[in-house]
Amino acid sequence: SQQGEEDPQALSIQEGENATMNCSYKTSINNLQWYRQNSGRGLVHLILIRSNEREKHSGRLRVTLDTSKKSSSLLITASRAADTASYFCATVGSARQLTFGSGTQLTVLP
Amino acid sequence: EPEVTQTPSHQVTQMGQEVILRCVPISNHLYFYWYRQILGQKVEFLVSFYNNEISEKSEIFDDQFSVERPDGSNFTLKIRSTKLEDSAMYFCASSETSGNRNEQFFGPGTRLTVL
Repeated sequence: SQQGEEDPQALSIQEGENATMNCSYKTSINNLQWYRQNSGRGLVHLILIRSNEREKHSGRLRVTLDTSKKSSSLLITASRAADTASYFCATVGSARQLTFGSGTQLTVLP
Repeated sequence: EPEVTQTPSHQVTQMGQEVILRCVPISNHLYFYWYRQILGQKVEFLVSFYNNEISEKSEIFDDQFSVERPDGSNFTLKIRSTKLEDSAMYFCASSETSGNRNEQFFGPGTRLTVL
């Protein structure tokens, strides 16, 4: 679980399939963000969902948020080999600092 | 598209030496951050900086660490006397002030190797 471990830690799928990653958190939040990290590179912001939102879409990404369960999920539809990366959710602290979990390593096989 | 840049991409140093990692945040951003990622571990927050002062720091950010914004564009992280356990990727990030959106833009990182 985030703050926390992500679920699953590793995921391997075939190109074209959907990938779902989950995280849970422990504190109250204003928003929750998802980031991607390609191997050995910096993090790239993917999507932000506010605490008063339940679902948000951006291209092939769909994020859900359940504040009652303190959990979020990231769905990547019609995955591509280029989606291979680590995915992290992050919560925001009082000084705007991000707290990341351990992430999910997604491998999309061609 | 504006981006955060970091130099050097890889720094090798001897234990006990001082290192300075440099970052150029996105020009209209006002909030700056340093994070680190030890190989195989999660990304950890080190320090946040706003209005020329530290706004938050983690327990990792002890007296051996300092940050500075020496001019209008650079943001530096200094480690005074490096230890073996300081070996990690160090990421700089910046964000603009826009309520609590706080989308952070990360640089490509500096890989620090302490021998």
